[in-house]
Amino acid sequence: NAGVTQTPKFQVLKTGQSMTLQCAQDMNHNSMYWYRQDPGMGLRLIYYSASEGTTDKGEVPNGYNVSRLNKREFSLRLESAAPSQTSVYFCASVLSLNTEAFFGQGTRLTVV
Amino acid sequence: DAKTTQPNSMESNEEEPVHLPCNHSTISGTDYIHWYRQLPSQGPEYVIHGLTSNVNNRMASLAIAEDRKSSTLILHRATLRDAAVYYCILKVAVLSNFGNEKLTFGTGTRLTIIP
Repeated sequence: NAGVTQTPKFQVLKTGQSMTLQCAQDMNHNSMYWYRQDPGMGLRLIYYSASEGTTDKGEVPNGYNVSRLNKREFSLRLESAAPSQTSVYFCASVLSLNTEAFFGQGTRLTVV
Repeated sequence: DAKTTQPNSMESNEEEPVHLPCNHSTISGTDYIHWYRQLPSQGPEYVIHGLTSNVNNRMASLAIAEDRKSSTLILHRATLRDAAVYYCILKVAVLSNFGNEKLTFGTGTRLTIIP
């Protein structure tokens, strides 16, 4: 049971490049989330998906798009990366509203 | 969304109990109180959650005030491995309202354990 798997673990992009961060969970969870964490800060919600086929904006959605491909996978896309998007990105999943959330190990993204 | 307020940092001696407070004065009747912690260079991990009654598990205890406007996470015997940032989060329990299924973190409390 792998839990929540994020790929890649590290990535360096040039300004203006695009990329997709992948997240997959094997726990049959309904809800999935993408967060970013800047140095010394708490986690900020970018987008979330309450169930397969639905996505909603969180606190900081600008510059990002998401896709809930199926129940297992929730991807985060940066269409034109900017240095302000340098951060650690975490994916999480939850079975239902009042069960525990499981987090991936994070993707460390640097935009130069 | 209801907000939580936590102290920025706390220190505790190893092998002593730790009480981490959280204020959530705007909590609604259906909000659950969740606690997560984040060890250095890792993703957050679940600690405990509750609604009205005090809760215990193998990691910690959660004491919830009678008016539910505050709660306290209790680590009964702190070890060096408990050094982490602890987050208190309110999570809405309304199944029918998918717009409120957000899991929103605050800035948390950085707990330092002194050997």
